[in-house]
Amino acid sequence: QSALTQPASVSGSPGQSITISCTGTSSDVGSYNLVSWYQHHPGKAPKLMIYEGSKRPSGVSNRFSGSKSGNPASLTISGLQAEDEADYYCCSGKVFGGGTKLTVL
Amino acid sequence: EVQLVESGGGLVQPGGSLRLSCAASGFTFSSYWMGWVRQAPGKGLEWVANIKEDGSEKNYVDSVKGRFTISRDNAKNSVYLQMNSLRAEDTAVYYCMRDMWFGEANAFDIWGQGTMVTVSS
Repeated sequence: QSALTQPASVSGSPGQSITISCTGTSSDVGSYNLVSWYQHHPGKAPKLMIYEGSKRPSGVSNRFSGSKSGNPASLTISGLQAEDEADYYCCSGKVFGGGTKLTVL
Repeated sequence: EVQLVESGGGLVQPGGSLRLSCAASGFTFSSYWMGWVRQAPGKGLEWVANIKEDGSEKNYVDSVKGRFTISRDNAKNSVYLQMNSLRAEDTAVYYCMRDMWFGEANAFDIWGQGTMVTVSS
């Protein structure tokens, strides 16, 4: 199964909002297999940020939001902060996206 | 504290074997699917394998089928990844994770810090 498609990089200034897209096929994202999103700082454990498309685990800032369904899925980070700079991955089932590097300018 | 701690990584020659271990604590281990995800140097995350709560069902990414075996010991709160016939392309940080079903979809909600596997002569 092919990896989900994400932009290689996005950037934004502190306080701004950014959106990362995640495009799949009719057998994953397009068939309403709800996406999860992970934040990964190099050298650290990945962290679940969004599950079932739009739900936040306890402890995750409400600055992070996801689209419930649809293709592409998307992750929006509002009020960008320096600590948001990381790699972000979407996942549907057992398939990850290629990852998006977020740079906070 | 909910925690996953991996061990067993290292340097191995092509064709060699290695066994990774992941010790869980802070939750009822036997009630959850568990799995492994890896990240090769400079690459993204790749799902590798998972195993059902009682070990009766196992799934693998195509590139490791027939070479890797996932197993678990619920009495020891541990999950393992036996890696045989290792190739250079298996070089990666291997993360243990909890594969959680949330009702509508699964997600990997707990992760270890990872253990590095280097396959090189």
